[in-house]
Amino acid sequence: AQSVTQLGSHVSVSEGALVLLRCNYSSSVPPYLFWYVQYPNQGLQLLLKYTSAATLVKGINGFEAEFKKSETSFHLTKPSAHMSDAAEYFCAVTERGSSNTGKLIFGQGTTLQVKP
Amino acid sequence: KAGVTQTPRYLIKTRGQQVTLSCSPISGHRSVSWYQQTPGQGLQFLFEYFSETQRNKGNFPGRFSGRQFSNSRSEMNVSTLELGDSALYLCASSWGDNSGNTIYFGEGSWLTVV
Repeated sequence: AQSVTQLGSHVSVSEGALVLLRCNYSSSVPPYLFWYVQYPNQGLQLLLKYTSAATLVKGINGFEAEFKKSETSFHLTKPSAHMSDAAEYFCAVTERGSSNTGKLIFGQGTTLQVKP
Repeated sequence: KAGVTQTPRYLIKTRGQQVTLSCSPISGHRSVSWYQQTPGQGLQFLFEYFSETQRNKGNFPGRFSGRQFSNSRSEMNVSTLELGDSALYLCASSWGDNSGNTIYFGEGSWLTVV
């Protein structure tokens, strides 16, 4: 069964530093990949998604992610962290096929702390 | 345009009771899916409805059920509530015709079982 692994349940960076949140998936067939952010007491907001076009995907708020098939990875990065980036981040996948629409498999989440 | 709307936002129920949560998807979206979020288990898929039919189901007991109406609005029901059902229940919607569709989430319904 498809699974998603996010390395590091908590990541702490200083304001202005590089943000790197790691995500690996298990499927041998590349799935569709998503990164979501969740602020306290809110739902999930899509940051970006990979659907098999360019392997480097740019999202909102300065985030981007690179799909690497050889490493089965989809790590999220941001060159310079801002205090407002403090939140929980989820990597998720859906398996290819129209019947799998809406069935997201999530990683355990990574809480990003940004220190002043 | 309006996003995914969930009601109620917060509710408290007693063990053994049942609860119904409602979700209005983004206009035009035909797929509605439900997720349970808890600190221990994270985000888990409950089920997905597409054009009033359940298309996918997660690994939850039969106490968890749902339905979708002709206008794509969806409800989920949990019967015989247990303390462990306390969670944030998230509804999400998408066009539903391709698994690469963007899936949009509502703000969630916070359920506390006492």
